[in-house]
Amino acid sequence: GQQLNQSPQSMFIQEGEDVSMNCTSSSIFNTWLWYKQDPGEGPVLLIALYKAGELTSNGRLTAQFGITRKDSFLNISASIPSDVGIYFCAGPIQGAQKLVFGQGTRLTINP
Amino acid sequence: SAVISQKPSRDICQRGTSLTIQCQVDSQVTMMFWYRQQPGQSLTLIATANQGSEATYESGFVIDKFPISRPNLTFSTLTVSNMSPEDSSIYLCSVLGTSGANEQFFGPGTRLTVL
Repeated sequence: GQQLNQSPQSMFIQEGEDVSMNCTSSSIFNTWLWYKQDPGEGPVLLIALYKAGELTSNGRLTAQFGITRKDSFLNISASIPSDVGIYFCAGPIQGAQKLVFGQGTRLTINP
Repeated sequence: SAVISQKPSRDICQRGTSLTIQCQVDSQVTMMFWYRQQPGQSLTLIATANQGSEATYESGFVIDKFPISRPNLTFSTLTVSNMSPEDSSIYLCSVLGTSGANEQFFGPGTRLTVL
């Protein structure tokens, strides 16, 4: 079935640094979604991408829908302590409205 | 996006018992989903809760273990039956957004610990 491979699995950075993570698949996706999960909370949708090549920003977050439709990238600029959490990519399984999730990237920030 | 609440937020249960988790949405939604998130893992879809009909289960999940109800367009329940420690997870409900795209919005989750 369709799977998403997310990397890196974890990141340890200094406050103020930029962050980049990506999500790849052997299958084509028509939508890419990026979520953030804080401890003890449900995932919150950060950015949704619908078109190959699309570049979308949400504050300090920028995500891109890969031109091959098999990958997506999420960048965070000038990280701050509240960026700590787990970031998941997700995409709809072809022909259905249910989502498959990547393994997540755990972001830790040293002040 | 819809406001989604879940009850209970957490529980500690004994082996062999069952727990029913409630998911309430502040608006009518066509599709609701139940996910499991095992410790340190990603989200795995358990089933799609269909209003007026039986839930649609994913491979590896069965109705006897995870019975689901969807009595109306704003409410659903997931029961974790005959629990074992391996059922210790976060259980999340989600709803499909109304934009016509594939965005899903999640509840805060129910953290279940089975002793």
